[in-house]
Amino acid sequence: AQKVTQAQTEISVVEKEDVTLDCVYETRDTTYYLFWYKQPPSGELVFLIRRNSFDEQNEISGRYSWNFQKSTSSFNFTITASQVVDSAVYFCALSEPFNTDKLIFGTGTRLQVFP
Amino acid sequence: EAQVTQNPRYLITVTGKKLTVTCSQNMNHEYMSWYRQDPGLGLRQIYYSMNVEVTDKGDVPEGYKVSRKEKRNFPLILESPSPNQTSLYFCASSLDSDEETQYFGPGTRLLVL
Repeated sequence: AQKVTQAQTEISVVEKEDVTLDCVYETRDTTYYLFWYKQPPSGELVFLIRRNSFDEQNEISGRYSWNFQKSTSSFNFTITASQVVDSAVYFCALSEPFNTDKLIFGTGTRLQVFP
Repeated sequence: EAQVTQNPRYLITVTGKKLTVTCSQNMNHEYMSWYRQDPGLGLRQIYYSMNVEVTDKGDVPEGYKVSRKEKRNFPLILESPSPNQTSLYFCASSLDSDEETQYFGPGTRLLVL
């Protein structure tokens, strides 16, 4: 069965600390996509990244980086030098494009960054 | 500006009173979908549509209806809302059902009394 697990319900850090949000997924398919979305306090869902199952290269975008490891079925997200504006709920999601393209979401990790 | 819009953004209603939440996208996307977000459960898909007049059930379709008469619009209909449908609802769209990223509307917060 397809499943996304975000074991960290809530994380609190102080500004400038680095923080890693964990995401573990389960799927039967060899072709799939992984996503991270950010949900700030205002409530909207902001797309951060998409990674397909054939591309295991890590990605860096400014202070954000993602580590995709098929061997451990993980797609972790690291924020370097966190800022108060990073405070949000972060969702990891899995998509199987040949199976309705439904997004299967984890339960989210609430990140609070204190000044 | 490319966007997905939803209306209303907030709605309080009573049990049994039919309501419709509209969703519209201006990106000529083929694929549209509705999700609900509940605490501790993340987001779950309600219905999706691959194109005009093509819709199908997601994981939690009970109590909901949808229609796709035009490419840009995908309304969510609650014929007889119940308190367990109190939730935050998101509409999403993508260019097609393959690798394209789904983009979400701003959300509709519904309270059913």
